[in-house]
Amino acid sequence: EVVLTQSPATLSLSPGERATLSCRASRYISGYLAWYQQKPGQAPRLLIYDASTRAAGIPARFSGSWSGTDFTLTISSLEPEDFAVYYCQQRDNWPRDTFGQGTKLEIK
Amino acid sequence: QLQLHESGPGLVKPSETLSLTCTVSGGSVISSSRYWAWIRQPPGKGLEGIGSISNTGRTYYHPALQSRVTISLDTSKNQFSLELTSVTAADTAVYYCARQVSHGLPYYFDSWGQGTLVTVSS
Repeated sequence: EVVLTQSPATLSLSPGERATLSCRASRYISGYLAWYQQKPGQAPRLLIYDASTRAAGIPARFSGSWSGTDFTLTISSLEPEDFAVYYCQQRDNWPRDTFGQGTKLEIK
Repeated sequence: QLQLHESGPGLVKPSETLSLTCTVSGGSVISSSRYWAWIRQPPGKGLEGIGSISNTGRTYYHPALQSRVTISLDTSKNQFSLELTSVTAADTAVYYCARQVSHGLPYYFDSWGQGTLVTVSS
């Protein structure tokens, strides 16, 4: 069974800075990982799937990468609308433990 | 553009059954390589998968909920539904329906409903 661990729990940055969010899988899951953004009171929005493929309409400042069991979501230059909670998600043992616990990206 | 919309009671009494329906527009629930999923989010907490159903009726349920949950598909109405029996306060959450892309296994969610808050309370 795969468990996803996201870090940090909270990330405090300023607009214009680079954000790096991490998601570690407890075992190898190939590149089958997705990233979502959730703003207060809204449903999650798909950002990235297959670890590095941007979903339709997602700005190029969002990128994903992976190596082994470590996955990274990078936001190259933060816009005010990017401050939100980010979740990673894997497919291997859906629906149990499918999501990470989330990283809150807050304005510094 | 695909749209999903959850509907159902916002308040359910303990020990009763939670029933929600998701109406799909702009697409068909009989699409291949697609599952139709329910996900919930307790207040102030993270996302939890409940389960999903394919166009052929194959289902996946969270093991902790399996004895209480049923997800069904109504192709004539282009809807899918969630039933959760014997609810307790721990089932209080925002419930989302979503379309799930399949890649060998049910995988990522590319369209979501707006979510509906269900409170379990007497």
